Amino acid sequence: SQTIHQWPATLVQPVGSPLSLECTVEGTSNPNLYWYRQAAGRGLQLLFYSVGIGQISSEVPQNLSASRPQDRQFILSSKKLLLSDSGFYLCASPRAGDTEAFFGQGTRLTVV
Amino acid sequence: AQSVSQHNHHVILSEAASLELGCNYSYGGTVNLFWYVQYPGQHLQLLLKYFSGDPLVKGIKGFEAEFIKSKFSFNLRKPSVQWSDTAEYFCAVLSGGSYIPTFGRGTSLIVHP
Repeated sequence: SQTIHQWPATLVQPVGSPLSLECTVEGTSNPNLYWYRQAAGRGLQLLFYSVGIGQISSEVPQNLSASRPQDRQFILSSKKLLLSDSGFYLCASPRAGDTEAFFGQGTRLTVV
Repeated sequence: AQSVSQHNHHVILSEAASLELGCNYSYGGTVNLFWYVQYPGQHLQLLLKYFSGDPLVKGIKGFEAEFIKSKFSFNLRKPSVQWSDTAEYFCAVLSGGSYIPTFGRGTSLIVHP
């Protein structure tokens, strides 16, 4: 069955430090992959989506970037974190043969 | 661009009370509609979904939602809530052949025992 693994689960980073969050998908090939951010009181905001290796689309211009070095790997990065980057980051993908999205456990990032 | 509005941001109920969470979307064409739930400390998971057919959709744990096309709405209901329903609820829409769901802001539900 399909599963999404995200790590780390929690992260506390100082302002100005770099960031790398990793998401891997098992049980499917060539999945569409999404990064969402859930900020307090602001719901789920789509940050990036990818339809294949090396193909990244950005929805919101910001301090973050994404990469897809392998078919089932999706990485969210930043060179210098801002306080406003704090939030809950979720990796998601459509369930195979369906349109519903399923999610990883998320990473709670606190920038201090 | 499509948008999803959830008008109730925080709801507090006592056990056995009835629940209705509002969800409205902006797209006028064919839509797929979803409600997701995130229990404290757990993954976001699907509660129910509507693709076509009967506009009254039944999901897990006694939840149901009604698609009213004329009102662009997909409200979530439960006749009698339990303490274990305390969670955050998100409405989402897929429309116009898009494969990326758009989510509402979410509604935080707290049920007092």
